[in-house]
Amino acid sequence: GAVVSQHPSRVICKSGTSVKIECRSLDFQATTMFWYRQFPKQSLMLMATSNEGSKATYEQGVEKDKFLINHASLTLSTLTVTSAHPEDSSFYICSARDLRQGRTGELFFGEGSRLTVL
Amino acid sequence: RKEVEQDPGPFNVPEGATVAFNCTYSNSASQSFFWYRQDCRKEPKLLMSVYSSGNEDGRFTAQLNRASQYISLLIRDSKLSDSATYLCAVNPSNDYKLSFGAGTTVTVRA
Repeated sequence: GAVVSQHPSRVICKSGTSVKIECRSLDFQATTMFWYRQFPKQSLMLMATSNEGSKATYEQGVEKDKFLINHASLTLSTLTVTSAHPEDSSFYICSARDLRQGRTGELFFGEGSRLTVL
Repeated sequence: RKEVEQDPGPFNVPEGATVAFNCTYSNSASQSFFWYRQDCRKEPKLLMSVYSSGNEDGRFTAQLNRASQYISLLIRDSKLSDSATYLCAVNPSNDYKLSFGAGTTVTVRA
C-alpha cells in the first residue's frame, strides 16, 4: 500500500484563487519532504524541500511567496499555490524517505495532484 | 546543459525483445542513481537502485559508468506490462534532492 499520500488528486480552480495540496507520510515520520512539479512530457523538477519545524528551502527560480510550504507536523506537509494562474497548471508530486530501521531509505512519492487553472 | 538527460524514445518493441537505453548526468560528484517507472498520469515508482558494480533484478539490469557519466537500463524478455516511461534519477549529494531525466518511453507491442 501507499506510504505517502497526497490530496487532492485532481483540482480545477479559477484563475486568482489559491489551492492547497496535502502530503502525508503514512506509518512513518518524515522530517523532510520534497515537492516536485512535472509538466507534460517533461522531467520532475524539484521545487522545494519541506522541513518540519522550520522554513522550506526553495530551488532557484521558484517563488516562495507563490508556493507556500508548511510542514507543521512530522507526517504532514502542505503546498499552497497562491493566486493560481493557468501557467501553474501542472502535476505536483510530493515525496518522502522512509527512514525507519530496517527499511531501505527509499524515496516514496505521493500519488500526485493534477492542478488545472482555468 | 541539463543535469540529467535521457533519450525520450519512444522505443517500440515486440514482446520478448530486449530493449536498452541510457541516461547521462553532468555532475561527476553524484552519489547515487536510480531508475523509476512512471505510468501515464501517475506518480513515479522506484524500479531499482543502480550500484557501481551493476545490478540485476529479474529481467531488469542496471549499469553505472562513472567514467563516462551514464547509467543504463536493460529490459530482457519484454512484457506488455513493461510499457511505461522510465525515469533516471541522480542524487547529486547525499540529501535525496533527486534530479530527474525527462524519461524514456517504452512501448511493448503484442
